[in-house]
Amino acid sequence: KQEVTQIPAALSVPEGENLVLNCSFTDSAIYNLQWFRQDPGKGLTSLLLIQSSQREQTSGRLNASLDKSSGRSTLYIAASQPGDSATYLCAGTTGGGNKLTFGTGTQLKVEL
Amino acid sequence: NAGVTQTPKFQVLKTGQSMTLQCAQDMNHNSMYWYRQDPGMGLRLIYYSASEGTTDKGEVPNGYNVSRLNKREFSLRLESAAPSQTSVYFCASSVSGTGVTEAFFGQGTRLTVV
Repeated sequence: KQEVTQIPAALSVPEGENLVLNCSFTDSAIYNLQWFRQDPGKGLTSLLLIQSSQREQTSGRLNASLDKSSGRSTLYIAASQPGDSATYLCAGTTGGGNKLTFGTGTQLKVEL
Repeated sequence: NAGVTQTPKFQVLKTGQSMTLQCAQDMNHNSMYWYRQDPGMGLRLIYYSASEGTTDKGEVPNGYNVSRLNKREFSLRLESAAPSQTSVYFCASSVSGTGVTEAFFGQGTRLTVV
């Protein structure tokens, strides 16, 4: 059974700092890896999807990488802003199926 | 561009009552899912439907039933609500098959069972 772990559980940084969020998974047969953002009381917003054949994806100040051999994905946020404050979730599919297995998330606070 | 729409957004039930959570997507996706989110436990899959006419159990299906009404709609039913079913419920959809399987989520239904 795939298990996904996100470290740290919570993170507080000053505005402007570059930061890395970590996601590790137990089954290296991960197929797609997706990063989401969740604001308090809201749904999940898809940020980046790394497909099976890819190693990384970029969108604006966000960059996500996937290393299947080590069972890890990272989400890099450049020049963090208070508006980046949210919970970030990673989730992966295994073996070509579509069911996502989620980590428990990293709660990020960017302070002025 | 509605995406995935869930109704209701909030609901309070008494123990033993029944209700149906509704979900509809307008992206022509084949696959649809129901997850629940509980503090400290992340999102867990309740049921999913890989295509119209098929449904399968996920990680935590007990106490729930689903219906894939058509390609657009996937409902989740609680036949006899229990306090343990207090949670936030999310519906999601994605394109089925290998390749791009980006999932899109609704805004959630916050259910309290008293």
